[in-house]
Amino acid sequence: AQRVTQPEKLLSVFKGAPVELKCNYSYSGSPELFWYVQYSRQRLQLLLRHISRESIKGFTADLNKGETSFHLKKPFAQEEDSAMYYCALSGSGNTGKLIFGQGTTLQVKP
Amino acid sequence: DSGVTQTPKHLITATGQRVTLRCSPRSGDLSVYWYQQSLDQGLQFLIQYYNGEERAKGNILERFSAQQFPDLHSELNLSSLELGDSALYFCASSLGQSAAYEQYFGPGTRLTVT
Repeated sequence: AQRVTQPEKLLSVFKGAPVELKCNYSYSGSPELFWYVQYSRQRLQLLLRHISRESIKGFTADLNKGETSFHLKKPFAQEEDSAMYYCALSGSGNTGKLIFGQGTTLQVKP
Repeated sequence: DSGVTQTPKHLITATGQRVTLRCSPRSGDLSVYWYQQSLDQGLQFLIQYYNGEERAKGNILERFSAQQFPDLHSELNLSSLELGDSALYFCASSLGQSAAYEQYFGPGTRLTVT
């Protein structure tokens, strides 16, 4: 079964501290993994995807197939990073079906 | 607003009733997705349409149905409503049908069943 697990409901860090939001997945094939973010009073939006291997707003995520993980990292957290973060998986062939994790609220304290 | 629009923003109705949620995709997008977000289940995929055809289905209840019209807007119909159907319903759209295309989300419709 396809499943995405985000073990932390809430992650609270101080500004300037490193951040790692955990994501583990269960999928037998070759998945596509994504991170979505929802800032306060804004829409859910794509942050990054593993295929593009980009760094967006200082965030990076590496797909580790051995550990079936796709953790989101940032070396120095900023207050504006405070938001809800969702890890998502697509593995359904030629469809856009996304399986989302439960989400992690990141709180960056001043 | 050239983004995804959803109406209504809020909907309060009673158990046993039927409601219709509407979604207009971004201009040019052919795929429309429906997701349900509830406190206990999180964000769950319901169904995808691409250019008027059903493309993928999630754990959508038989009481729920959807369709995409020739002008590409979509409607999600929820019938015989139960208290547990109270949730935030999101619509998203993308240019193509695969996950390679970024999905753009609407603001959601908050449904409260009393």
